[in-house]
Amino acid sequence: GAGVSQSPSNKVTEKGKDVELRCDPISGHTALYWYRQSLGQGLEFLIYFQGNSAPDKSGLPSDRFSAERTGGSVSTLTIQRTQQEDSAVYLCASSLVYRRNTEAFFGQGTRLTVV
Amino acid sequence: AQTVTQSQPEMSVQEAETVTLSCTYDTSESDYYLFWYKQPPSRQMILVIRQEAYKQQNATENRFSVNFQKAAKSFSLKISDSQLGDAAMYFCAYRSLYSGAGSYQLTFGKGTKLSVIP
Repeated sequence: GAGVSQSPSNKVTEKGKDVELRCDPISGHTALYWYRQSLGQGLEFLIYFQGNSAPDKSGLPSDRFSAERTGGSVSTLTIQRTQQEDSAVYLCASSLVYRRNTEAFFGQGTRLTVV
Repeated sequence: AQTVTQSQPEMSVQEAETVTLSCTYDTSESDYYLFWYKQPPSRQMILVIRQEAYKQQNATENRFSVNFQKAAKSFSLKISDSQLGDAAMYFCAYRSLYSGAGSYQLTFGKGTKLSVIP
């Protein structure tokens, strides 16, 4: 596609339920990032995928969070047993890596509300 | 690990005037990239301008320019002739150029909310 696509745009879930957030990166982009943006806050790094390399999971806040990237393209961020503090906007970005001046292109995010 | 600090949570500017947003960062690396991203209410992060650390010349994109002071680890954004459409959150970001786990992640500041007064 022309840009990074995220779905759903908004998600309301009950505390304790599992949720899956999807990201379709720009075709050909080998790097994919997930960030979390809490209300009025900056972007908190969650996880980074680069090609077939092992992902950098250093930003995942707990073992309730996991992510996978299938076929080097689509990525799914899964939050198990959601808590109210998980409410935030989850942003996905993709980029080329092997260009020095590469920028990250962002999707419009998924707003997750845990009630 | 790198850190990025934006010390101005909110700023305002009169339409057609100039405003400067501040950003400082901490790193032990000598080569890296710095970015300013704009986030309007639509949530879409949009790249405004980028700066390569090894270039001494400050980057410029139309009404947007930066003041890059490498020794001081400062990277401020100047918006000239401010327009109503410039109202948004602005984020400063750092990107390493070295390989290794986690090194390609973008590290963001907490952002500055810019209001433009008609």
